[in-house]
Amino acid sequence: DGGITQSPKYLFRKEGQNVTLSCEQNLNHDAMYWYRQDPGQGLRLIYYSQIVNDFQKGDIAEGYSVSREKKESFPLTVTSAQKNPTAFYLCASSQRGSSYEQYFGPGTRLTVT
Amino acid sequence: AQTVTQSQPEMSVQEAETVTLSCTYDTSESDYYLFWYKQPPSRQMILVIRQEAYKQQNATENRFSVNFQKAAKSFSLKISDSQLGDAAMYFCAKGEGGSEKLVFGKGTKLTVNP
Repeated sequence: DGGITQSPKYLFRKEGQNVTLSCEQNLNHDAMYWYRQDPGQGLRLIYYSQIVNDFQKGDIAEGYSVSREKKESFPLTVTSAQKNPTAFYLCASSQRGSSYEQYFGPGTRLTVT
Repeated sequence: AQTVTQSQPEMSVQEAETVTLSCTYDTSESDYYLFWYKQPPSRQMILVIRQEAYKQQNATENRFSVNFQKAAKSFSLKISDSQLGDAAMYFCAKGEGGSEKLVFGKGTKLTVNP
């Protein structure tokens, strides 16, 4: 079955540590996205990548980093510079030149204490 | 930056009744895509319905339909014969021309009462 996987579902870290969230897709989509979801805030775009080895900052990129070395993978690193990292993180992908429809993974809940 | 506004943070409906969720947006584009996504308690985002702006006919998917008013920049979602499984957060989104990004509203929490 084609889809997007995010692991783990729940992640706990101590303040000051970097943490990497995994996102893998087997839909052969060119574009991938990372969103952060907080209560009452909807989905806010962190980073996106339209092609391998290229990515752009979204609206709230500070304190985050990404890489896109393979078409199917788009990991997100939450660095210690992110002031409020506790949130629900969603990864999505879409096929370029399509209707902009994005397919989402199940999400990762990150808790930093 | 483009914005998408959902003016109803919460809505409730009786089972089997009809409910309409509101969404407005701003844009200077003439052709674009609009979406409604559903996020149930599992938090998996699910596409409910999609509308292409150049199509005048309102999109319909089973019990879900939209009222797309291009001049008014309005894109409401109507859920007919509401079911308990329709209870979820609903997000309106607009495709941002050229970048292939989506801009999301803040969501409407729908409660379905038995």
